[in-house]
This record gives sequence, C-alpha cells and structure tokens, in this order.
Amino acid sequence: KQEVTQIPAALSVPEGENLVLNCSFTDSAIYNLQWFRQDPGKGLTSLLLIQSSQREQTSGRLNASLDKSSGRSTLYIAASQPGDSATYLCAVISAGGTSYGKLTFGQGTILTVHP
Amino acid sequence: DGGITQSPKYLFRKEGQNVTLSCEQNLNHDAMYWYRQDPGQGLRLIYYSQIVNDFQKGDIAEGYSVSREKKESFPLTVTSAQKNPTAFYLCASSIGNSLNQPQHFGDGTRLSIL
Repeated sequence: KQEVTQIPAALSVPEGENLVLNCSFTDSAIYNLQWFRQDPGKGLTSLLLIQSSQREQTSGRLNASLDKSSGRSTLYIAASQPGDSATYLCAVISAGGTSYGKLTFGQGTILTVHP
Repeated sequence: DGGITQSPKYLFRKEGQNVTLSCEQNLNHDAMYWYRQDPGQGLRLIYYSQIVNDFQKGDIAEGYSVSREKKESFPLTVTSAQKNPTAFYLCASSIGNSLNQPQHFGDGTRLSIL
C-alpha cells in the first residue's frame, strides 16, 4: 500500500527566504505527483502536477522536482511572502498495487512566513 | 464561474441521525470523489465515481453511502453507523481519466456531533 510522508510537519521562516518542502513515497510506481495548497478551513488548490516521466515543473516562484526512482519530491518556494502561509500537501496517483489509480496524500507541511 | 460547490459549510449531527453532504460541479467532469480530513492528517478516500450510476468504495467507506444519479452531483450520506463522523469533508472532481489529470476540490463541509 502506498504511503506518503512529508517533512517537516511545520516550518516558520522570515519573509524573503527561499525554502524547500519535502515529500517521500514508498512505491515508485506512480502516474504523477501533485502539490496542493490548503488555506485554513478551505479546500485544496492545485499548485503543480508532475507526470511520472517528468523531472520538474515550475509555476512562478514555485518549482517542484520529482525523483521517481528514489521516491522523493521537493517543492521549492523562492522569495517567500506572508501570503504563502498555508498547509502544503503532496499526493501521488499510484500505478499499481492496492492503491492503483487512487490519490494518496501526505499529512502536509504547515508553512508560516512572518514579516 | 466553473467550479465545485459543497453545502452546507457547517453541519451538526445528533446521535443516531443520518446526514447528507451536497457536492455539485459544473465543470463537466466525469469523475468525482469524497475525502475525509482529520486534524494533522492527510486526506483519506471515502468513495469515488468514474461515471454516472457507478461508484466504488475507497479506503474508509464503512458508515458512509453515496449515489451518482447525475453527472454534476455526488452526495455523501454519513450514516449512524459511522461512530466518529467529526471531520472536514472534501469533494473533488476530475476529467474522466483521472490518472493524468489534476483533481479539483470544493471548499469543504465541516461536520460536528451535537
């Protein structure tokens, strides 16, 4: 069964700092990996989706990388702003096993960017 | 605007009562999903539907039921058999082949026990 782990559980940084969020998954047989943002009491907003054949995706100040063989992904946020404060969730769509076709989520990283 | 609408935003359930959470989408997506989120945990899949009049159990389906009579609607009923229903419930949808398409989420319904 696919399992997704995110480190750290919480992160607090000063405004302007570059930061990295980590995600690891136990089964490398995946179709894609997706990073989401969740604001308190809200639903999820998709940030980036990386197909299994891709190494990275970029959107503005966000860059996500994928190393499928080692079961790892990172989300890099450049020049962080207070508006980036939220919970960031990583999820994978599995290509095999009992988790086939399902989106499996990590528990999230709570990011706080203080002015 | 296209999107996913969940209602109500807050819901309270009495002991022994069934409650139904609404999820409507106007994105013309074939697939719809229900997830449960508990504090400090990731989302867990309750039920999903790839097409009208068909749905499958997810990882934690016990105590829940769904229907998919229309493409745009996928209501979730939390039955009295669900002994720990307090959670944040999220509905999502995706274009038919969800394996390579992102899932889009509603704003959630928070269910509490009276």
